[in-house]
Amino acid sequence: AQSVAQPEDQVNVAEGNPLTVKCTYSVSGNPYLFWYVQYPNRGLQFLLKYITGDNLVKGSYGFEAEFNKSQTSFHLKKPSALVSDSALYFCAVRGGFKTIFGAGTRLFVKA
Amino acid sequence: DTGVSQDPRHKITKRGQNVTFRCDPISEHNRLYWYRQTLGQGPEFLTYFQNEAQLEKSRLLSDRFSAERPKGSFSTLEIQRTEQGDSAMYLCASSSGGREETQYFGPGTRLLVL
Repeated sequence: AQSVAQPEDQVNVAEGNPLTVKCTYSVSGNPYLFWYVQYPNRGLQFLLKYITGDNLVKGSYGFEAEFNKSQTSFHLKKPSALVSDSALYFCAVRGGFKTIFGAGTRLFVKA
Repeated sequence: DTGVSQDPRHKITKRGQNVTFRCDPISEHNRLYWYRQTLGQGPEFLTYFQNEAQLEKSRLLSDRFSAERPKGSFSTLEIQRTEQGDSAMYLCASSSGGREETQYFGPGTRLLVL
């Protein structure tokens, strides 16, 4: 069975600094990995995905994620954080038709 | 607007009442998913449609829950005899399927059962 872990409930970063939101996964077979962002009282917005190919995936709003097969990780990164990046971030893994989401990491970017 | 829409956005009901939510997927998407999200948690899979066929239901989906997608377009999720534990955000997502499918989510319906 697949699973996703987001080890940090909250990440705090100053505006302009790089940010990392961590995600590790467990899945049998090839991992299909996703990051979504959720703003208050809104649905989830797709940021990026890894299906195959380059380990560094670029997505929306300047975000990128690094797939590391040996560490079974898929950390979300951004070189320079913005206050408007403050939101709830979810990592997800898909096995077959079913997608499993992590519990989420709340990102606070301080001005 | 070509995104996923859900109606209503908010619903307050009394315990024991029935409620029905609607989801309109992106028009060309043949897959539709329902999720439930409680505070502090990620979305949990409830059920999945390929066109009009309901192909999988989670154990979370008790007998009080039923979902339909009668013409392979919009979908409804009904909860009968609501309980306070049903209070949550109900999210709908759609996709075009395939190995590289990406699910696109609607804004959700927030249910409060009093």
